[in-house]
Amino acid sequence: EVQLLESGGGLVQPGGSLRLSCAASGFRFSSYAMRWVRQAPEKGLEWVSGISSRGDFTDYADSVKGRFTIARDNSKNTLYLHMNSLRLDDTAIYFCANGPNWVDYWGQGTLVTVSS
Amino acid sequence: DIVMTQSPDSLAMSLGERATMKCKASQSVLHSSNNKNALAWYQQRPGQPPKLLIYWASTRDSGVPDRFSGSGSGTDFTLTISSLQAEDVAVYYCQQYYTTPRITFGPGTKVEI
Repeated sequence: EVQLLESGGGLVQPGGSLRLSCAASGFRFSSYAMRWVRQAPEKGLEWVSGISSRGDFTDYADSVKGRFTIARDNSKNTLYLHMNSLRLDDTAIYFCANGPNWVDYWGQGTLVTVSS
Repeated sequence: DIVMTQSPDSLAMSLGERATMKCKASQSVLHSSNNKNALAWYQQRPGQPPKLLIYWASTRDSGVPDRFSGSGSGTDFTLTISSLQAEDVAVYYCQQYYTTPRITFGPGTKVEI
């Protein structure tokens, strides 16, 4: 069974930093491109960032470029999202998701709240 | 970026009725290489992550009931639920992956009973 388990969310002040993690199991993690998608409260889905299966290609939404960094450790089957200079409008549930095109599997998400 | 729009914003239906919702892309998502449309549909129930229903515009994912069907090509797409069930209450999102890894989602259509 495929499982994606996010962690690392929480309450942070504007300008602060957080690191999200996503532990993957049940599939060959190193063979799949991965991505982060977020959902602000009562809002729709927004792609945040993606990374190739080997980690040699990354891309970011314009709204987070220069502030967020996606990474992966294939030896640990884990995906990361380093978030710096957090803003109020970064408040959202952050989902870990797999698949290079459509998303086959989603994690349950981790809530990031940016507030003073 | 390709902008996705969906209509209507919400649908109030009765059990057993046919529900139809639209998705429009700001440019064509038809791949000339395989003649397939890079368009997926998801269902998101309250408090849950999205669930994949359909990819390549009309291919149902494994285990998805056949009352769900997708159609369309180019820029205009439709998701149809042939006979609405209580468990179909959810928000439905379309997503283009023509510009993957930069994917974009529509704003969603909320289905209520």
